Amino acid sequence: DAKTTQPNSMESNEEEPVHLPCNHSTISGTDYIHWYRQLPSQGPEYVIHGLTSNVNNRMASLAIAEDRKSSTLILHRATLRDAAVYYCILRALSGNTPLVFGKGTRLSVIA
Amino acid sequence: NAGVTQTPKFQVLKTGQSMTLQCAQDMNHNSMYWYRQDPGMGLRLIYYSASEGTTDKGEVPNGYNVSRLNKREFSLRLESAAPSQTSVYFCASSEYREGDYGYTFGSGTRLTVV
Repeated sequence: DAKTTQPNSMESNEEEPVHLPCNHSTISGTDYIHWYRQLPSQGPEYVIHGLTSNVNNRMASLAIAEDRKSSTLILHRATLRDAAVYYCILRALSGNTPLVFGKGTRLSVIA
Repeated sequence: NAGVTQTPKFQVLKTGQSMTLQCAQDMNHNSMYWYRQDPGMGLRLIYYSASEGTTDKGEVPNGYNVSRLNKREFSLRLESAAPSQTSVYFCASSEYREGDYGYTFGSGTRLTVV
């Protein structure tokens, strides 16, 4: 699986936008970019995924660089509940290869 | 909306004891997974089942066995527990949507082996 690189931690003020970066310079053309987050003492939860185009849903937006070597998860207005570890994961489109988690980015939100 | 249900939520075992972690999903998903998470680490895959009747090893299968009992249930068994198996265990299931698979996780089983 292609690897991803994320900052260990980030901090944000409440009600401000948050941009969580992810580098994946060895991404292949058929790798999907997934984002999951894990709130304290809970299992991971799906946030968003995309292939080439930017994606929006009720939780977040995913901005994918034109060369696909990086992506950014955007939380439009951080709340205290968004404090979590965010994982950026690449998954090969072929077959049902399980998700491989790295260490992610720990996001702290300050009131 | 139960999603993925794991039992028990907490367990303390003595070294050498055996136990089975239960997982059930009510979303009619084909694929199910077992991960473990050690403190400060990401999740590591133990075993997975792409469909009913099949199971495959993940990154850290040693010391574990699994059973895909039916489409809903996927259990993880520790035959002889060791302190190194102290961890939080997460079960997940997945469905194909919008071009790729989306996972739903349970809330975890916190296992301590003394």
